[in-house]
Amino acid sequence: AQSVSQHNHHVILSEAASLELGCNYSYGGTVNLFWYVQYPGQHLQLLLKYFSGDPLVKGIKGFEAEFIKSKFSFNLRKPSVQWSDTAEYFCAVKAGTALIFGKGTTLSVSS
Amino acid sequence: EAGVTQFPSHSVIEKGQTVTLRCDPISGHDNLYWYRRVMGKEIKFLLHFVKESKQDESGMPNNRFLAERTGGTYSTLKVQPAELEDSGVYFCASSQETRGQSDTQYFGPGTRLTVL
Repeated sequence: AQSVSQHNHHVILSEAASLELGCNYSYGGTVNLFWYVQYPGQHLQLLLKYFSGDPLVKGIKGFEAEFIKSKFSFNLRKPSVQWSDTAEYFCAVKAGTALIFGKGTTLSVSS
Repeated sequence: EAGVTQFPSHSVIEKGQTVTLRCDPISGHDNLYWYRRVMGKEIKFLLHFVKESKQDESGMPNNRFLAERTGGTYSTLKVQPAELEDSGVYFCASSQETRGQSDTQYFGPGTRLTVL
């Protein structure tokens, strides 16, 4: 069955620390991958997406993700987090026209 | 450009009542999707409209849920009668295409439904 697994439920970091959020997917078709973010009180926003080509994808606000086909992974990274990155992060794979989401990872950044 | 809007932002109803949620997609987006997040669980797909046609309703939980998109513009999702397990946040999203770089789904703020 198609699924997305996010390894960490809650991550707590200090400002300037590096971030890596894990995402593994299970899907047999052509892979389109996404990371969405939901800041407190706001709606889901697209951080970045992978369709094809360069497996290292750069998104908004200094985030990037690397698609590793052999590991079925699409981990999200940021070299130095800020307090404003406190949010919930969702990894998703596109199956047909629907998005299949992971359970989300809550990131708390302390200043 | 206005984003996806949803109404109401929050609804509290009693078990057995009816609730109708509304979604207005981004203008010009033919594709409209409904998703739901039950507390503690992942966001799950409910259905997909292309214009006024239901393209995929494989995620609809049961026949108490009815989605419509008359005229291919806004959509409504009716729950009748509501049950306790229907509580959650209902998200609407829209996209211009379903393939390629333009198929990004843009989400609305969600409607939080609480069934007592």
